[in-house]
Amino acid sequence: TQLLEQSPQFLSIQEGENLTVYCNSSSVFSSLQWYRQEPGEGPVLLVTVVTGGEVKKLKRLTFQFGDARKDSSLHITAAQPGDTGLYLCAGDRGSTLGRLYFGRGTQLTVWP
Amino acid sequence: DAGVTQSPTHLIKTRGQQVTLRCSPKSGHDTVSWYQQALGQGPQFIFQYYEEEERQRGNFPDRFSGHQFPNYSSELNVNALLLGDSALYLCASSPGPVNEQFFGPGTRLTVL
Repeated sequence: TQLLEQSPQFLSIQEGENLTVYCNSSSVFSSLQWYRQEPGEGPVLLVTVVTGGEVKKLKRLTFQFGDARKDSSLHITAAQPGDTGLYLCAGDRGSTLGRLYFGRGTQLTVWP
Repeated sequence: DAGVTQSPTHLIKTRGQQVTLRCSPKSGHDTVSWYQQALGQGPQFIFQYYEEEERQRGNFPDRFSGHQFPNYSSELNVNALLLGDSALYLCASSPGPVNEQFFGPGTRLTVL
């Protein structure tokens, strides 16, 4: 059973469209991170959110941590083919510092 | 500045064999965590090494063991390989047992 549920599992869109990926749990997390992983490579950290309600922006990517620190979302504006990849959310429970619990990931494909 | 490096890149073994995977952390990092990523899944935490000791362990059997050397590099050993051990094994390093981790490219293990 995954502690973090991501949706959708797959997303296929055209260049220029907007999208949102969700990461939900019934558990509270001390912090939550988003990674992007490309084929044959390890995950690359995009952002860490630590405060309930926190919103962080990274160019066209907007990350939000839920008020109760149980969920997060990633919104991409005007998606580009270079955004294609597997997006993973990962959280820590606080009591087990350094142990990350990952979701299954959202495979995003952006077509030109 | 080299990031996290792992060797080998790919490995093919047969059931019952033993395997050793290696990881060199990013410069300045002293903590190494190992994750298993099965096809279509998010990474699952195996264990974490800090100060040459196993500090945390996930839900993996004793067939999975590790070691950290004085130079902070680490090895993951898996004995009595099963078909289900086929996966991408990821090493992540951090400056201490913190949650912002930097991942290597992984070792793809195939068990036949």
